Amino acid sequence: QSALTQPPSASGSPGQSVTISCTGTSSDLGDYNTVSWYQQHPGKAPKLIIYEVTRRPSGVPDRFSGSKSGNTASLTVSGLQAEDEAYYYCSSYAGGNKKTFGGGTMLTVL
Amino acid sequence: EVQLVESGGDLVQPGGSLRLSCEASGFPFSHYWMHWVRQGPGKRLMWVSRINIDGSGTVYADAVKGRFTISRDNAKNTLYLQMNSLRVDDTAVYYCAREKNWYEEYWGQGTLVTVST
Repeated sequence: QSALTQPPSASGSPGQSVTISCTGTSSDLGDYNTVSWYQQHPGKAPKLIIYEVTRRPSGVPDRFSGSKSGNTASLTVSGLQAEDEAYYYCSSYAGGNKKTFGGGTMLTVL
Repeated sequence: EVQLVESGGDLVQPGGSLRLSCEASGFPFSHYWMHWVRQGPGKRLMWVSRINIDGSGTVYADAVKGRFTISRDNAKNTLYLQMNSLRVDDTAVYYCAREKNWYEEYWGQGTLVTVST
């Protein structure tokens, strides 16, 4: 299964909005509504912040939102806060009982 | 509170074997499918394996198929990963995770496996 493609870095100032893209193919991300996003702070385990493309687990601020168009999914963080500085990973079911992750995006709050 | 605690990570030589464990608590372990996911030195996450609720169904990433075996003991609330024929590129932090519809709802803190001479 091939990895999904994410930009290595993104940045924004406090209060701004930032969007991180995640590109797959018609065989994985484009064919299933199973995109999920994870936030990882240094030295910590990943934490689920978006699942099934747009849904947020309980306790995740509504500043985090997800969407998908064709073979590309996006994570938008609105009203950036200092604690949002972290790595963000997308993931999707890839068919054939496999799943795949993106390479990760380091979000910097300027 | 859902808790997943991995153990068993160690330094092992190429070609060696290791068994990881993941002890679950705070939820009915036997009701959930489980995953292993690893994160190598470059920080990329890689899905490793998945197991169904009674252990009768398992799937693997191509990179570990034939070398790794996932299993579970529902009586002990414990998930396992038996890793054989280890390679240098298996070096990673290994996480267990509770799954729902192919996404990882909850993650453990991870255990480090280093394969090196």
